Amino acid sequence: QTVVTQEPSFSVSPGGTVTLTCGLSSGSVSTSYYPSWYQQTPGQTPRTLIYSTNTRSSGVPDRFSGSILGNKAALTITAAQADDESDYYCVLYMGSGISVFGGGTKLTVL
Amino acid sequence: QVQLQESGPGLVKPSETLSLTCSVSGGSINGYYWSWIRRPAGKGLEWIGRIYTTGSTDYNPSLKSRVTMSVDTSKNQFSLKLSSVTAADTAVYYCAREGYAYDLGYWGQGTLVTVSS
Repeated sequence: QTVVTQEPSFSVSPGGTVTLTCGLSSGSVSTSYYPSWYQQTPGQTPRTLIYSTNTRSSGVPDRFSGSILGNKAALTITAAQADDESDYYCVLYMGSGISVFGGGTKLTVL
Repeated sequence: QVQLQESGPGLVKPSETLSLTCSVSGGSINGYYWSWIRRPAGKGLEWIGRIYTTGSTDYNPSLKSRVTMSVDTSKNQFSLKLSSVTAADTAVYYCAREGYAYDLGYWGQGTLVTVSS
């Protein structure tokens, strides 16, 4: 079974820029996988940041952007803030009705 | 504004069946896919499966043999059953609505289910 890969952890300085990636254990991520990105802060419900590769969900600041970088989907956060410290998950649509979450990236802002 | 609320027992014995219901308010259940996702303590999110309002289902292959989903459009509810549970099924279970481009745009608050004797 194909595994969706994410960096387990990442850190960024306040005001800095960070790019999180979402790949496949076998193959390349493309827009056909409809990559989406979710943010989950401890104790909170996940919320959509990006869907369909690069469409920001309603109310999400434009500091968050999605793209395809090489063979992976990517989430870029600019001007990082303390409350960006969260777990970030990508989801890929594998076809045949199946979606798969990546393992998540724990982002630290310090 | 669409709201989802999970309900069901918070404690299930090993080998028994976990049963949860998600109630949808603020909008019709018709015309959408409805999903279940879980997050075990200390681990990441896991997609369990989804159901369309016609009753058509798609399940995570790793759980498929134990999962059953159903929908009751008259009650604006859908349900999850997970059989033969073990401690590894202990998790916060979420229901969610899948929208355009597979976006899980609406989530319930989640409910903790513990598998223990």
